[in-house]
Amino acid sequence: SAVISQKPSRDICQRGTSLTIQCQVDSQVTMMFWYRQQPGQSLTLIATANQGSEATYESGFVIDKFPISRPNLTFSTLTVSNMSPEDSSIYLCSVSTANEQFFGPGTRLTVL
Amino acid sequence: GEDVEQSLFLSVREGDSSVINCTYTDSSSTYLYWYKQEPGAGLQLLTYIFSNMDMKQDQRLTVLLNKKDKHLSLRIADTQTGDSAIYFCAERIYGGYNKLIFGAGTRLAVHP
Repeated sequence: SAVISQKPSRDICQRGTSLTIQCQVDSQVTMMFWYRQQPGQSLTLIATANQGSEATYESGFVIDKFPISRPNLTFSTLTVSNMSPEDSSIYLCSVSTANEQFFGPGTRLTVL
Repeated sequence: GEDVEQSLFLSVREGDSSVINCTYTDSSSTYLYWYKQEPGAGLQLLTYIFSNMDMKQDQRLTVLLNKKDKHLSLRIADTQTGDSAIYFCAERIYGGYNKLIFGAGTRLAVHP
């Protein structure tokens, strides 16, 4: 299994600001994923981040709004830029192995 | 297209069995997963099944897969109050970046 930690665990931010969320894994992984869970909703994939290449974004998500870094095989960051109240969600980092997929504890973001 | 559906709510008596159902549409699924989410927490991987299997048992959990009907179920034996949570089923799509498609989640309420 993989143990994933995220920082911060929660934050309250003002409209128009940006927040960078960090994800750390206890082992080297090829693929890392960022998901969003809007209040009372299911999870939606934002993007896939592989080390050494540009992140691949899902339909409806763009790099300018959600820039991602993946500097090595155990770490990634997701930035939520120019935030609005609609960005209030839980953001989860995830990693996959051959068979399994694990999730971090999430970052609960509230935008005022 | 990619779609996963679950019933939204299930109520069971403590000690009874719970059965949570899920249907999916993509026939290229490789793995199917069940996750548990408790209030304010991240996603806990409960179990998964490879798409060429019919059944998998893990202690109190039994997963049944009917690939012909694209139907997945999770049975929890001897349901306890600690099992109260939201249960998500998800399918991993073949190819690409191992993207997971999630259902909306089933809220399981266990009462005495």
